[in-house]
Amino acid sequence: EAQVTQNPRYLITVTGKKLTVTCSQNMNHEYMSWYRQDPGLGLRQIYYSMNVEVTDKGDVPEGYKVSRKEKRNFPLILESPSPNQTSLYFCASSWFGTGNNEQFFGPGTRLTVL
Amino acid sequence: GENVEQHPSTLSVQEGDSAVIKCTYSDSASNYFPWYKQELGKRPQLIIDIRSNVGEKKDQRIAVTLNKTAKHFSLHITETQPEDSAVYFCAASGRNTGFQKLVFGTGTRLLVSP
Repeated sequence: EAQVTQNPRYLITVTGKKLTVTCSQNMNHEYMSWYRQDPGLGLRQIYYSMNVEVTDKGDVPEGYKVSRKEKRNFPLILESPSPNQTSLYFCASSWFGTGNNEQFFGPGTRLTVL
Repeated sequence: GENVEQHPSTLSVQEGDSAVIKCTYSDSASNYFPWYKQELGKRPQLIIDIRSNVGEKKDQRIAVTLNKTAKHFSLHITETQPEDSAVYFCAASGRNTGFQKLVFGTGTRLLVSP
């Protein structure tokens, strides 16, 4: 089954404790992206990657890191989480270029930073 | 960079009525405009998209129109049903990122009452 998976789905942590949210897709998509969703603000892009070892900042990258060592995986790293990073996080993947550009979203990770 | 504004933020209709959601964008270079639907507690899913070389696109009860001159695009849902109740997001993207660097609007919560 074609899918995007994220782990964990729910996480409660404390300020300053490093964490990683994993994202994996099995559709051989070149493009992967991380978004955060906050009430009234919609979906805002954190980082994106157009292929292995190619990453770039989105609109709200501060406080986050990513890596793309393999095509299927795109982990999101919070080195020192703060309460303002409490949010719902979505990973997404898609083909790159013209044609079918549908972004497939993962199930989401709800993060609470105390 | 691109900025997308979406209106209204909430929309209540009776079953069978039509619903219209409007978005404006700022970057005249944007040329890909998808719409995503997010049901309560679920991930966003693409419902329809349009490219700048097309003025209108239909898929059963939903349609999207694009006015490049005015830089706005709209989602039209006819004969609404309770299962259309969800949050709808518009987005815009440009060719320079393979149509993938999406900037989303803030969302419209549509409630269809039986």
